[in-house]
Amino acid sequence: ETGVTQTPRHLVMGMTNKKSLKCEQHLGHNAMYWYKQSAKKPLELMFVYNFKEQTENNSVPSRFSPECPNSSHLFLHLHTLQPEDSALYLCASSPTSGGAEFQETQYFGPGTRLLVL
Amino acid sequence: SQQGEEDPQALSIQEGENATMNCSYKTSINNLQWYRQNSGRGLVHLILIRSNEREKHSGRLRVTLDTSKKSSSLLITASRAADTASYFCATAKSYIPTFGRGTSLIVHP
Repeated sequence: ETGVTQTPRHLVMGMTNKKSLKCEQHLGHNAMYWYKQSAKKPLELMFVYNFKEQTENNSVPSRFSPECPNSSHLFLHLHTLQPEDSALYLCASSPTSGGAEFQETQYFGPGTRLLVL
Repeated sequence: SQQGEEDPQALSIQEGENATMNCSYKTSINNLQWYRQNSGRGLVHLILIRSNEREKHSGRLRVTLDTSKKSSSLLITASRAADTASYFCATAKSYIPTFGRGTSLIVHP
């Protein structure tokens, strides 16, 4: 276990549904991340939160809406998704995302496998 | 782009053999990390090597870094069936790592 949990682990939803993915980290980290992993593609960074403030939005469509109520919890709200949004959604955390000169180890959750019908 | 690219895309070996995966990147880095991912799971950090280091070991893992060639290699010695997974290198010019497509390793018992 990495100390990062994600729920649900699997989700099937229709294009008109609204659902939310949840991520929780028990590591005392200050930065949290959402990634999308599709087959045969590199891991795509979606959002970064640092001390509850969003610091990166990697041109993600507005049908994905993140929320970070505190440093331990991160949500990804989904609405009117498309079939091409089907993927594995990974949450990660790191001690901090401050400082431009070093890269920090990320701790990943097990992911939510999303299927949009 | 800072993105690292792993090579080969897929590798199939017998248990007990060594497995070598390579990563190439395009711009200068401060450090490079290797991660492992079992099918359908999250990534797990394996090892970090800094730009001023040339080689690093962790158990059966050996990582090298050649900043002049902008490349890194991950060697898994005496592989086991449990090493079957995808392996990713991660590079960054700031604090956010960029991952490649990974190398899919299959170790046959």
